Amino acid sequence: EVQLVESGGGLVQPGGSLRLSCAASGFTFSSYWMSWVRQAPGKGLEWVANIKQDGSEEYYVDSVKGRFTISRDNAKNSLYLQMNSLRVEDTAVYYCARDDHGSTRGFDYWGQGTLVTVSS
Amino acid sequence: SYELTQPPSVSVSPGQTARITCSGDALPKQYAYWYQQKPGQAPVLVIYKDSERPSGIPERFSGSSSGTTVTLTISGVQAEDEADYYCQSADSSGTHRVFGGGTKLTVL
Repeated sequence: EVQLVESGGGLVQPGGSLRLSCAASGFTFSSYWMSWVRQAPGKGLEWVANIKQDGSEEYYVDSVKGRFTISRDNAKNSLYLQMNSLRVEDTAVYYCARDDHGSTRGFDYWGQGTLVTVSS
Repeated sequence: SYELTQPPSVSVSPGQTARITCSGDALPKQYAYWYQQKPGQAPVLVIYKDSERPSGIPERFSGSSSGTTVTLTISGVQAEDEADYYCQSADSSGTHRVFGGGTKLTVL
Protein backbone atom coordinates (compact mmCIF):
# COMPACT_ATOMS: atom_id res chain seq x y z
CA GLU A 1 0.00 0.00 0.00
CA VAL A 2 1.38 3.37 -1.03
CA GLN A 3 1.75 5.76 1.91
CA LEU A 4 3.00 9.32 2.09
CA VAL A 5 3.34 10.87 5.54
CA GLU A 6 4.26 14.52 5.95
CA SER A 7 5.76 16.07 9.06
CA GLY A 8 7.50 19.24 10.16
CA GLY A 9 4.69 21.76 9.99
CA GLY A 10 4.03 24.29 12.72
CA LEU A 11 3.90 27.95 13.68
CA VAL A 12 6.75 30.18 12.51
CA GLN A 13 7.27 33.93 12.46
CA PRO A 14 7.54 35.87 9.20
CA GLY A 15 11.09 35.67 7.91
CA GLY A 16 11.66 32.36 9.63
CA SER A 17 12.48 28.92 8.28
CA LEU A 18 10.92 25.47 8.40
CA ARG A 19 11.79 22.10 6.90
CA LEU A 20 9.04 19.73 5.86
CA SER A 21 9.57 16.00 5.41
CA CYS A 22 7.59 13.33 3.60
CA ALA A 23 8.19 9.65 4.34
CA ALA A 24 7.24 7.37 1.46
CA SER A 25 6.50 3.65 1.54
CA GLY A 26 4.79 0.97 -0.50
CA PHE A 27 6.45 1.82 -3.83
CA THR A 28 9.89 2.24 -5.35
CA PHE A 29 10.48 5.86 -4.30
CA SER A 30 13.54 6.32 -6.50
CA SER A 31 11.48 5.62 -9.65
CA TYR A 32 9.15 8.60 -9.35
CA TRP A 33 9.14 12.36 -9.59
CA MET A 34 7.72 13.88 -6.40
CA SER A 35 5.92 17.17 -5.77
CA TRP A 36 4.80 19.47 -2.99
CA VAL A 37 1.34 21.01 -3.34
CA ARG A 38 -0.14 23.51 -0.89
CA GLN A 39 -3.58 24.83 0.00
CA ALA A 40 -4.09 28.07 1.88
CA PRO A 41 -7.05 28.13 4.30
CA GLY A 42 -10.28 28.22 2.31
CA LYS A 43 -8.41 28.45 -1.00
CA GLY A 44 -7.57 26.17 -3.90
CA LEU A 45 -4.66 23.87 -4.60
CA GLU A 46 -1.33 25.34 -5.69
CA TRP A 47 1.58 23.30 -7.02
CA VAL A 48 4.78 24.40 -5.25
CA ALA A 49 7.72 22.37 -6.55
CA ASN A 50 8.79 19.04 -8.00
CA ILE A 51 11.95 16.99 -8.25
CA LYS A 52 13.15 14.32 -10.65
CA GLN A 53 13.84 10.75 -9.61
CA ASP A 54 17.60 11.27 -9.12
CA GLY A 55 17.33 14.86 -7.89
CA SER A 56 18.98 16.24 -11.01
CA GLU A 57 16.07 18.50 -11.95
CA GLU A 58 13.76 20.61 -9.81
CA TYR A 59 11.14 23.20 -10.65
CA TYR A 60 9.28 25.79 -8.61
CA VAL A 61 6.27 28.05 -8.81
CA ASP A 62 7.43 31.64 -9.21
CA SER A 63 6.16 32.75 -5.79
CA VAL A 64 8.60 30.47 -3.91
CA LYS A 65 11.59 30.54 -6.25
CA GLY A 66 14.75 31.50 -4.35
CA ARG A 67 13.12 30.90 -0.95
CA PHE A 68 12.13 27.21 -1.02
CA THR A 69 14.30 24.21 -1.90
CA ILE A 70 12.99 20.75 -2.68
CA SER A 71 15.26 17.76 -2.14
CA ARG A 72 15.10 14.00 -1.68
CA ASP A 73 17.02 11.14 -0.12
CA ASN A 74 16.29 7.97 -2.06
CA ALA A 75 18.16 5.85 0.48
CA LYS A 76 15.72 7.02 3.15
CA ASN A 77 12.64 7.12 0.86
CA SER A 78 12.14 10.71 1.91
CA LEU A 79 11.20 14.02 0.29
CA TYR A 80 11.95 17.41 1.83
CA LEU A 81 10.97 21.05 1.45
CA GLN A 82 13.26 23.65 3.01
CA MET A 83 11.31 26.87 3.39
CA ASN A 84 13.21 30.08 4.13
CA SER A 85 12.17 33.74 4.35
CA LEU A 86 8.62 32.62 5.09
CA ARG A 87 5.78 35.05 4.49
CA VAL A 88 2.27 35.24 5.90
CA GLU A 89 0.97 34.19 2.48
CA ASP A 90 2.88 30.88 2.74
CA THR A 91 0.40 29.77 5.41
CA ALA A 92 -1.16 26.58 4.07
CA VAL A 93 -1.54 22.83 4.36
CA TYR A 94 1.40 21.33 2.48
CA TYR A 95 0.83 18.01 0.72
CA CYS A 96 3.43 15.62 -0.57
CA ALA A 97 2.29 13.90 -3.79
CA ARG A 98 3.68 11.25 -6.08
CA ASP A 99 4.14 12.99 -9.42
CA ASP A 100 3.58 10.40 -12.12
CA HIS A 101 3.01 12.75 -15.05
CA GLY A 102 5.77 10.94 -16.92
CA SER A 103 3.42 7.98 -17.17
CA THR A 104 0.49 10.38 -17.66
CA ARG A 105 -1.05 9.35 -14.34
CA GLY A 106 -0.81 12.75 -12.64
CA PHE A 107 -0.64 13.12 -8.87
CA ASP A 108 -1.84 9.61 -8.16
CA TYR A 109 -1.08 9.44 -4.41
CA TRP A 110 -1.20 12.16 -1.77
CA GLY A 111 -0.28 12.44 1.88
CA GLN A 112 -2.67 13.86 4.46
CA GLY A 113 -0.80 17.15 4.65
CA THR A 114 0.99 19.19 7.30
CA LEU A 115 -0.10 22.68 8.34
CA VAL A 116 2.34 25.56 8.17
CA THR A 117 1.25 28.79 9.87
CA VAL A 118 3.31 31.93 9.36
CA SER A 119 2.30 34.55 11.87
CA SER A 120 3.77 36.96 14.38
CA SER B 1 2.30 32.55 -15.60
CA TYR B 2 0.06 29.87 -17.09
CA GLU B 3 -3.51 29.62 -15.80
CA LEU B 4 -6.37 27.14 -15.96
CA THR B 5 -9.89 28.58 -15.66
CA GLN B 6 -12.81 26.78 -13.99
CA PRO B 7 -16.28 28.02 -12.97
CA PRO B 8 -16.40 28.67 -9.21
CA SER B 9 -19.54 26.64 -8.70
CA VAL B 10 -21.90 24.15 -10.32
CA SER B 11 -25.20 22.95 -8.86
CA VAL B 12 -27.25 19.92 -9.88
CA SER B 13 -30.05 17.79 -8.48
CA PRO B 14 -29.44 14.14 -7.59
CA GLY B 15 -29.56 11.89 -10.65
CA GLN B 16 -28.77 14.72 -13.07
CA THR B 17 -25.56 15.23 -15.01
CA ALA B 18 -22.92 17.67 -13.84
CA ARG B 19 -20.38 19.13 -16.23
CA ILE B 20 -17.36 21.08 -15.03
CA THR B 21 -15.18 22.81 -17.60
CA CYS B 22 -11.55 23.87 -17.50
CA SER B 23 -9.88 26.03 -20.11
CA GLY B 24 -6.22 26.75 -20.82
CA ASP B 25 -4.07 27.59 -23.82
CA ALA B 26 -1.73 24.62 -23.39
CA LEU B 27 -4.45 21.99 -23.03
CA PRO B 28 -4.18 20.89 -26.68
CA LYS B 29 -0.56 19.92 -25.93
CA GLN B 30 -0.70 18.78 -22.30
CA TYR B 31 -2.92 16.17 -20.68
CA ALA B 32 -5.47 17.18 -18.07
CA TYR B 33 -6.18 15.57 -14.74
CA TRP B 34 -9.11 15.96 -12.33
CA TYR B 35 -9.11 15.72 -8.56
CA GLN B 36 -11.97 15.50 -6.07
CA GLN B 37 -11.50 17.02 -2.63
CA LYS B 38 -13.94 16.72 0.25
CA PRO B 39 -13.68 18.93 3.35
CA GLY B 40 -10.74 18.08 5.58
CA GLN B 41 -9.42 15.44 3.18
CA ALA B 42 -6.56 15.18 0.73
CA PRO B 43 -7.42 15.37 -2.97
CA VAL B 44 -8.20 12.17 -4.86
CA LEU B 45 -7.40 11.62 -8.56
CA VAL B 46 -10.63 10.85 -10.46
CA ILE B 47 -9.51 11.31 -14.10
CA TYR B 48 -6.05 11.13 -15.67
CA LYS B 49 -4.76 11.60 -19.21
CA ASP B 50 -7.88 13.63 -20.15
CA SER B 51 -10.35 10.76 -19.99
CA GLU B 52 -8.94 7.73 -18.18
CA ARG B 53 -10.45 6.62 -14.89
CA PRO B 54 -8.26 5.17 -12.09
CA SER B 55 -9.31 1.88 -10.58
CA GLY B 56 -11.88 2.33 -7.86
CA ILE B 57 -13.41 5.47 -9.35
CA PRO B 58 -17.09 4.99 -10.27
CA GLU B 59 -18.00 4.80 -13.95
CA ARG B 60 -20.23 7.85 -13.61
CA PHE B 61 -17.05 9.97 -13.70
CA SER B 62 -15.76 10.68 -17.20
CA GLY B 63 -13.51 13.20 -18.91
CA SER B 64 -13.25 14.69 -22.38
CA SER B 65 -11.14 17.17 -24.25
CA SER B 66 -11.78 19.56 -27.11
CA GLY B 67 -9.22 22.15 -28.11
CA THR B 68 -8.40 24.44 -25.19
CA THR B 69 -11.19 23.08 -22.98
CA VAL B 70 -11.47 19.89 -20.98
CA THR B 71 -14.63 18.72 -19.23
CA LEU B 72 -15.33 16.53 -16.24
CA THR B 73 -18.75 14.90 -16.48
CA ILE B 74 -20.49 13.21 -13.58
CA SER B 75 -23.53 11.26 -14.75
CA GLY B 76 -26.28 10.39 -12.31
CA VAL B 77 -24.86 12.64 -9.59
CA GLN B 78 -25.13 11.31 -6.04
CA ALA B 79 -25.10 13.22 -2.78
CA GLU B 80 -21.64 11.81 -2.02
CA ASP B 81 -20.25 13.57 -5.11
CA GLU B 82 -20.63 16.97 -3.44
CA ALA B 83 -17.05 18.23 -3.25
CA ASP B 84 -14.53 20.61 -4.74
CA TYR B 85 -13.13 19.55 -8.11
CA TYR B 86 -9.81 20.74 -9.51
CA CYS B 87 -8.43 20.39 -13.00
CA GLN B 88 -4.65 20.19 -13.34
CA SER B 89 -2.23 20.20 -16.20
CA ALA B 90 1.22 21.54 -17.08
CA ASP B 91 2.62 24.56 -18.88
CA SER B 92 3.76 24.21 -22.49
CA SER B 93 7.23 23.03 -21.38
CA GLY B 94 5.67 20.23 -19.35
CA THR B 95 7.82 20.95 -16.32
CA HIS B 96 5.60 23.24 -14.23
CA ARG B 97 2.36 21.77 -12.96
CA VAL B 98 -0.66 24.03 -12.58
CA PHE B 99 -4.11 23.71 -10.99
CA GLY B 100 -7.34 25.41 -11.91
CA GLY B 101 -9.04 27.51 -9.26
CA GLY B 102 -11.46 24.75 -8.34
CA THR B 103 -15.20 24.23 -8.75
CA LYS B 104 -17.54 23.60 -5.85
CA LEU B 105 -20.14 21.03 -6.85
CA THR B 106 -23.35 21.33 -4.89
CA VAL B 107 -25.92 18.54 -4.99
CA LEU B 108 -29.29 20.18 -4.38
